[in-house]
Amino acid sequence: EPEVTQTPSHQVTQMGQEVILRCVPISNHLYFYWYRQILGQKVEFLVSFYNNEISEKSEIFDDQFSVERPDGSNFTLKIRSTKLEDSAMYFCASSEAGSGRDNEQFFGPGTRLTVL
Amino acid sequence: LAKTTQPISMDSYEGQEVNITCSHNNIATNDYITWYQQFPSQGPRFIIQGYKTKVTNEVASLFIPADRKSSTLSLPRVSLSDTAVYYCLVLEGGFKTIFGAGTRLFVKA
Repeated sequence: EPEVTQTPSHQVTQMGQEVILRCVPISNHLYFYWYRQILGQKVEFLVSFYNNEISEKSEIFDDQFSVERPDGSNFTLKIRSTKLEDSAMYFCASSEAGSGRDNEQFFGPGTRLTVL
Repeated sequence: LAKTTQPISMDSYEGQEVNITCSHNNIATNDYITWYQQFPSQGPRFIIQGYKTKVTNEVASLFIPADRKSSTLSLPRVSLSDTAVYYCLVLEGGFKTIFGAGTRLFVKA
C-alpha cells in the first residue's frame, strides 16, 4: 500500500537555526498539507498546497515558514530562525482530492522537531 | 468552517460496541463527514467518510441522520488496540482541515 514518508524522523536543532523537513507524498496525489502537533495537544493545520502554490494557510504559518515542492516527488517545510515553541511533531499529508468525496488525507509518520 | 463537537473522552471494555457522536450543526450542503484515528506519536489515520445515511467498511460504521447535523462513529467489538483519539472532521470546501480536540477512547480489558 502506498504511503507518505517523512525524513528525518527526529530533528534536533539550536534556537535560531533553520530546519527543513522533508516529505514524499503518495505519487498520484495532488494536494499536500503540513500539520504540527505539540506534545499532548491537538493536531494543528499549517498549510495546504496545490498546483505549486499555497491554497490555504493558518495563522500559525507566518513568514517564519515556507513550503516548496522542489521536484516531482518531494514536499518540504522550511522553518527559519527556530524558536523553542516550534518544538513539536510535524506531519505531512497528501490527498487525491481537496474537498468533497475522496479527500481522505494520508498522513506520514511525522518528524519530531526539538529546538534547544 | 463548520465546527464539530465531540465528547472529550470515553471508556469501554473489550468486546463492546463503542459509539462516538459528533455534532456539526453548521455543516454545508457539499460537505462530507470524515473520521480519523490517532495513536500516540503517529499521524492521524483515515477511518471512514460519509455524506448521509449509513456507511460501513471493514473497520467501522458511520451513521448520519437526514439533517446531517450530527454523525455517529460505531466501532464494533473494540479491542485494547482501539485505544486512541478519534477525530470528527467536516471540511467546508476549502483545503483548511481543522482538527478538534477529538475523543480519547480508552478500552479496558
